[in-house]
Amino acid sequence: DAKTTQPPSMDCAEGRAANLPCNHSTISGNEYVYWYRQIHSQGPQYIIHGLKNNETNEMASLIITEDRKSSTLILPHATLRDTAVYYCIVRAMNTGFQKLVFGTGTRLLVSP
Amino acid sequence: EAQVTQNPRYLITVTGKKLTVTCSQNMNHEYMSWYRQDPGLGLRQIYYSMNVEVTDKGDVPEGYKVSRKEKRNFPLILESPSPNQTSLYFCASSQPGTISGAEAFFGQGTRLTVV
Repeated sequence: DAKTTQPPSMDCAEGRAANLPCNHSTISGNEYVYWYRQIHSQGPQYIIHGLKNNETNEMASLIITEDRKSSTLILPHATLRDTAVYYCIVRAMNTGFQKLVFGTGTRLLVSP
Repeated sequence: EAQVTQNPRYLITVTGKKLTVTCSQNMNHEYMSWYRQDPGLGLRQIYYSMNVEVTDKGDVPEGYKVSRKEKRNFPLILESPSPNQTSLYFCASSQPGTISGAEAFFGQGTRLTVV
């Protein structure tokens, strides 16, 4: 699986958009970008994933650059409950077993 | 509601006393895994199972056992716990072979302390 690089921490004001970047310059053609988050020692929670097109769901938007070497997770209106560690993971679909390799992630602090 | 249930949520035990952490999922998923999370080391996979009676070691299997006799259950067994197994444990399940296989569901965690 390709390695990812994320900033260790970010701050965001409540109600503003939180834009979390991720670099994955060694991503290969069959690898997807996934985002998970972990709220204070709870189990990680799936947010979104994508291959090359931008994706949006009820939680967030995922913007992937055209060369696929980086992506941005956007929380459009951050709330205090979005304070968490966000993990960007790159891996191939349908690999032999379901193992997620979590890096150190970005600790997002949403403040009032 | 789709969920992965772990029990217990908190456990303090003594060195050498066998214990089992249970994990159950209600989504008929084929894949199940156990992870441990330690400060500065992130989440590391202990064991995984691709289906009933099919299990294999992850990155840190020493000191742990698992079994998969039924699709929904994947217990983690510590035959002789030691203090270095003090950690936060997570069970996860997912379904391979589909787009939705990207979504791994995690339990709420079991915080284990071995004294």
